[in-house]
Amino acid sequence: DVKVTQSSRYLVKRTGEKVFLECVQDMDHENMFWYRQDPGLGLRLIYFSYDVKMKEKGDIPEGYSVSREKKERFSLILESASTNQTSMYLCASSSFPRGNSTDTQYFGPGTRLTVL
Amino acid sequence: KQEVTQIPAALSVPEGENLVLNCSFTDSAIYNLQWFRQDPGKGLTSLLLIQSSQREQTSGRLNASLDKSSGRSTLYIAASQPGDSATYLCAVSYVIKAAGNKLTFGGGTRVLVKP
Repeated sequence: DVKVTQSSRYLVKRTGEKVFLECVQDMDHENMFWYRQDPGLGLRLIYFSYDVKMKEKGDIPEGYSVSREKKERFSLILESASTNQTSMYLCASSSFPRGNSTDTQYFGPGTRLTVL
Repeated sequence: KQEVTQIPAALSVPEGENLVLNCSFTDSAIYNLQWFRQDPGKGLTSLLLIQSSQREQTSGRLNASLDKSSGRSTLYIAASQPGDSATYLCAVSYVIKAAGNKLTFGGGTRVLVKP
């Protein structure tokens, strides 16, 4: 079974703090993704990575950065947390799309972050 | 820019009725389309994936159709059960680099199946 784990289920931080969200997958997947999910706005892609040390901006990268030093681990960093970053953060991983591969994304359980 | 819409946003049915969930997308140049299930406070679980060359996929009581030319997909759940209560999300995938793909999600349909 594919497993994607996230370091925390719930996190409470104060405005201005630096926040690290960690994601680990055990399927040797090349691609990893960070989304945030908000009521009425659905899931929006923040950043993704298709290889170690490679990163690409998604639809809403402002206020975030990422790090991928090892294939299995993808970190999301909030340099200076703000209240509008209160959200559910979901990590996902997938393999490269090859031929008829399913390349479905496998999701972690999510981290609910509250910034006070 | 790809936009994915799901209607209705919420649905309530009595147990045993069939469920019909709709998804529409604006750009037909997709790699595949997926349906996910999300339980409250949890991550997403993939239910069905339809490649762009396919017209439907089935798994047990679930059947999903894809009409790329009209930008529509429908998820059918037969003989609904209370355990089917969840939010169902549709997502379209397209390749953005030689080795990477990207999903664009709809807003989801929240389903309640009453016993």
